[in-house]
Amino acid sequence: DIQMTQSPSSLSASVGDGVTITCRASQSISNFLNWYQQKPGKAPKLLIYDASSLQSGVPSRFSGSGSGTDFTLTISSLQPEDFATYYCQRSHSSLGTFGQGTKVEIK
Amino acid sequence: EVQLVESGGGLFQPGGSLRLSCAASGFTFSNYWMDWVRQAPGKGLVWVSRINSDGSGVNYADSVKGRFTISRDNAKNTLYLQMNSLRADDTAVYYCARDPSGTNTFDPWGQGTLVTVSS
Repeated sequence: DIQMTQSPSSLSASVGDGVTITCRASQSISNFLNWYQQKPGKAPKLLIYDASSLQSGVPSRFSGSGSGTDFTLTISSLQPEDFATYYCQRSHSSLGTFGQGTKVEIK
Repeated sequence: EVQLVESGGGLFQPGGSLRLSCAASGFTFSNYWMDWVRQAPGKGLVWVSRINSDGSGVNYADSVKGRFTISRDNAKNTLYLQMNSLRADDTAVYYCARDPSGTNTFDPWGQGTLVTVSS
């Protein structure tokens, strides 16, 4: 099975900072990669699909890139509502494998 | 408004059984793949199972294969997860999620229901 590994597992940043989270697949998955945001006590929310397509209603400060095995989620200027845990996930598979998550905390 | 509402969680004994339900509204339920994803307390997201739009195709994570059964009733706009032979490591919040394209892309998610397996 293909494994998804995120880094870092957590980071501290300030409002206005740019942030990049990395997700690596153990084998090539083309661009079949989603990103979700989860706030404490809430259900996850789809941010990015197919590695770089912004889900409707998601602010443009979120962007995704990558293909093959290496992917990134970038938040261009952190806002207070962006402090959350972010998960990557392999799509287009019978097994919807998630990364372990990256928690973005306030510095 | 698209809405998914899970129910059926609670405290259950190891070896026991339960059935989770996910009531869908605001969209044509019978057109969509649906999935279950779980999250143990303080842990990450783990995909559990998926079912295609007419219920003829299902997939399971290895950790639940043979113990859990996903099903749906399109006439009732409801997704189910039958959970048998419960173990302590099945303790988690269980989310149902719509898969608009049948590609394991989940949007939206329900609010989740907590299943606790303990004696």
